Amino acid sequence: EAGVAQSPRYKIIEKRQSVAFWCNPISGHATLYWYQQILGQGPKLLIQFQNNGVVDDSQLPKDRFSAERLKGVDSTLKIQPAKLEDSAVYLCASSLIARGGTDTQYFGPGTRLTVL
Amino acid sequence: AQTVTQSQPEMSVQEAETVTLSCTYDTSESDYYLFWYKQPPSRQMILVIRQEAYKQQNATENRFSVNFQKAAKSFSLKISDSQLGDAAMYFCAYRSAGFETSGSRLTFGEGTQLTVNP
Repeated sequence: EAGVAQSPRYKIIEKRQSVAFWCNPISGHATLYWYQQILGQGPKLLIQFQNNGVVDDSQLPKDRFSAERLKGVDSTLKIQPAKLEDSAVYLCASSLIARGGTDTQYFGPGTRLTVL
Repeated sequence: AQTVTQSQPEMSVQEAETVTLSCTYDTSESDYYLFWYKQPPSRQMILVIRQEAYKQQNATENRFSVNFQKAAKSFSLKISDSQLGDAAMYFCAYRSAGFETSGSRLTFGEGTQLTVNP
């Protein structure tokens, strides 16, 4: 079974530029998560989708970050315009269902973003 | 809001020895789940072990086991017979059972970097 796919693996941009990350979850997984992991910290949830609806985006900086999950499969996370503090690893995860207590979140390899 | 604290930024262990990583958490909820994830240099987070708060029995997965102390809000990970491949960053994570209030987000600690010496 293929895992969670993410691209690109690395991205370097100048501040005030825009950037987009792509995630393809494990086939059949209804729930998709985007986490931000700043160097030296644990990941922090940015947004959670259940199929193509948003469940939790309370920690998403909505003035510059946006995300969508069209057709309930792939997802794109966008930053526009980027700031220096956005330098981090962006992790995508998916799970089969959201409500099950033993439901495991499977993570992709992440995208390392550097903002200069 | 829930918080997770890992007080050991770095730990080291000799190959074949046993090491324990500490984790404490703060919550007002009675029902929740706890996890240990491993993150090697490849950055991919891998689930090591999970514990349901309603279960008194400590979870075990091969060489990995936990000591779950609900009253003390403590959740430590014990790695027995450490192997070179165990070297990684280890994260403790909390998830509420109350989906309606917080979805199923994981709240992570700051991590503990484990080095395994040959």
